[in-house]
Amino acid sequence: ETGVTQTPRHLVMGMTNKKSLKCEQHLGHNAMYWYKQSAKKPLELMFVYSLEERVENNSVPSRFSPECPNSSHLFLHLHTLQPEDSALYLCASSQDIGPNGNEQFFGPGTRLTVL
Amino acid sequence: AQKVTQAQTEISVVEKEDVTLDCVYETRDTTYYLFWYKQPPSGELVFLIRRNSFDEQNEISGRYSWNFQKSTSSFNFTITASQVVDSAVYFCALSEANYGQNFVFGPGTRLSVLP
Repeated sequence: ETGVTQTPRHLVMGMTNKKSLKCEQHLGHNAMYWYKQSAKKPLELMFVYSLEERVENNSVPSRFSPECPNSSHLFLHLHTLQPEDSALYLCASSQDIGPNGNEQFFGPGTRLTVL
Repeated sequence: AQKVTQAQTEISVVEKEDVTLDCVYETRDTTYYLFWYKQPPSGELVFLIRRNSFDEQNEISGRYSWNFQKSTSSFNFTITASQVVDSAVYFCALSEANYGQNFVFGPGTRLSVLP
């Protein structure tokens, strides 16, 4: 595997289900990100991790719970979601965060549908 | 506050035409970075270019070229002799050196290249 991978690629869940999205980066990067992309809205940054520590949480509802067990893996745990949470969830990684403006590399995304 | 504007929501061109995608940004930082990404129908954002605020040289990569003008806070992207495979959504993004973990994306421009 190369680059950034995400599983599953598609997920349909009910509002009472619990599921997890997985992201893995094979680039040796130190920072990882979760974004939400809804129809007709700009990409929204949800969480940022640097060296497994969360450094950004952009007012995301608690029904989204991130986990970063090591610098290569990032999870997004989902529970009691709402239909408006249906979106494409994108994971990204970069060499570092901070002043150097490192480009982010994205995975293919998980298309989530909440019924 | 940082902001990225892409005023063109959708553009349609016929194959072999040249097309320019506009990007205007706002930032108070003197050190910042600008990016362009391509999102084909598969969903994955593909990194195209990174430019720092101190480098106003235009860049050309094959059929792609970028024009960075600090005086107008613009970072426009031109595709020469467009091809059907160029059809995608294109995003411009900004990262400030003082807040490096936060990428701000523009709303995107959907480019359709017709055969």
